[in-house]
Amino acid sequence: NAGVTQTPKFQVLKTGQSMTLQCAQDMNHNSMYWYRQDPGMGLRLIYYSASEGTTDKGEVPNGYNVSRLNKREFSLRLESAAPSQTSVYFCASSNPSRDTQYFGPGTRLTVL
Amino acid sequence: AQKITQTQPGMFVQEKEAVTLDCTYDTSDQSYGLFWYKQPSSGEMIFLIYQGSYDEQNATEGRYSLNFQKARKSANLVISASQLGDSAMYFCAMRELYNQAGTALIFGKGTTLSVSS
Repeated sequence: NAGVTQTPKFQVLKTGQSMTLQCAQDMNHNSMYWYRQDPGMGLRLIYYSASEGTTDKGEVPNGYNVSRLNKREFSLRLESAAPSQTSVYFCASSNPSRDTQYFGPGTRLTVL
Repeated sequence: AQKITQTQPGMFVQEKEAVTLDCTYDTSDQSYGLFWYKQPSSGEMIFLIYQGSYDEQNATEGRYSLNFQKARKSANLVISASQLGDSAMYFCAMRELYNQAGTALIFGKGTTLSVSS
């Protein structure tokens, strides 16, 4: 099992450009999440999807959109990137018994 | 609002010694879960250990144990016999209910552990 995979690993954007971060899991988990990690801030929830076909906002959703394409895939889109979105983005999925979340390797995004 | 506090920005320990990383939490929920994750310099988030609020015994996973004191709202991570590979950032997290529809984790700001030989 690959667990949770994310693409790309690194990305540099110019202000105003758009991009989609891809995430997939092969653990048959219902719930999936997107977090961002900034220095000294820990991880903060952007969006989550409790099950296929549902999405909901987290703590810091502004400037992002998400799509739960199917049970395996959950993408995060930046429509018009801003320097404040420079961060490391993590995707995670969780099992139903304890909600233990398993994380992907992260995407390091820089917006110039 | 729920909150996780990690008061130690950095900790230093020698190989083979035990170390305790502090975590306090604030919640009004009766049922909750507490987690510890490790983030090495390579950047991935690695799940270490879980403690449920109704678990009567402290959780253990190999060299990791969780010192759970419910009345004090603390969930400290104890690493026994530290190894050089334990050098990393450690995050305490708590499961939070979002909009009555799902759960997610709220994280503390982390503690950097440095293990020396």
